[in-house]
Amino acid sequence: KAGVTQTPRYLIKTRGQQVTLSCSPISGHRSVSWYQQTPGQGLQFLFEYFSETQRNKGNFPGRFSGRQFSNSRSEMNVSTLELGDSALYLCASSLVSGATNEKLFFGSGTQLSVL
Amino acid sequence: DQQVKQNSPSLSVQEGRISILNCDYTNSMFDYFLWYKKYPAEGPTFLISISSIKDKNEDGRFTVFLNKSAKHLSLHIVPSQPGDSAVYFCAASKRGNQGGKLIFGQGTELSVKP
Repeated sequence: KAGVTQTPRYLIKTRGQQVTLSCSPISGHRSVSWYQQTPGQGLQFLFEYFSETQRNKGNFPGRFSGRQFSNSRSEMNVSTLELGDSALYLCASSLVSGATNEKLFFGSGTQLSVL
Repeated sequence: DQQVKQNSPSLSVQEGRISILNCDYTNSMFDYFLWYKKYPAEGPTFLISISSIKDKNEDGRFTVFLNKSAKHLSLHIVPSQPGDSAVYFCAASKRGNQGGKLIFGQGTELSVKP
């Protein structure tokens, strides 16, 4: 069974530009979550989608948005990029949404550098 | 507001010895805890978890201990192997979780020396 696939692996952008990251979950998984990882900050939750609906959102500005398609694939968009947006963006999928003991399966991430 | 804290950014141990990674949390609503392991250039992979109704969970060389009164959990690796060298994240999930939201600590980089 293929794992979570994220594209692209690396991205270099300049301030003010926008970027779109893509995530394909494990086959059969309907929940997709996005996390931002920066050095010393651990993983910060961005948002979660289930059945094409945003179920939960973290404390990030509105420049960060996402969506989920009917095949459960998800995209994340960041507009008006800032230097501080440089990070590893991780996508995770799970079978269901809302279960207390849910286990997330992560992709390898997209490393975004903003110059 | 860091609800899950890993106060040791790094830990170095000798091969064959015990590795103990610690994690503290502040929110008493957390009822499920997980440990993830991350190698460079890869996403985190699930290692072991524990429900708040238990105080210990074991899986091979890995044991997680939960002390609810102290709001503290720890991961023990015995014996440690060089392949265990990675960054370890603890994470927590709370009652009424709306889905997909795990609260992660900052991570501890474990180095196991041969």
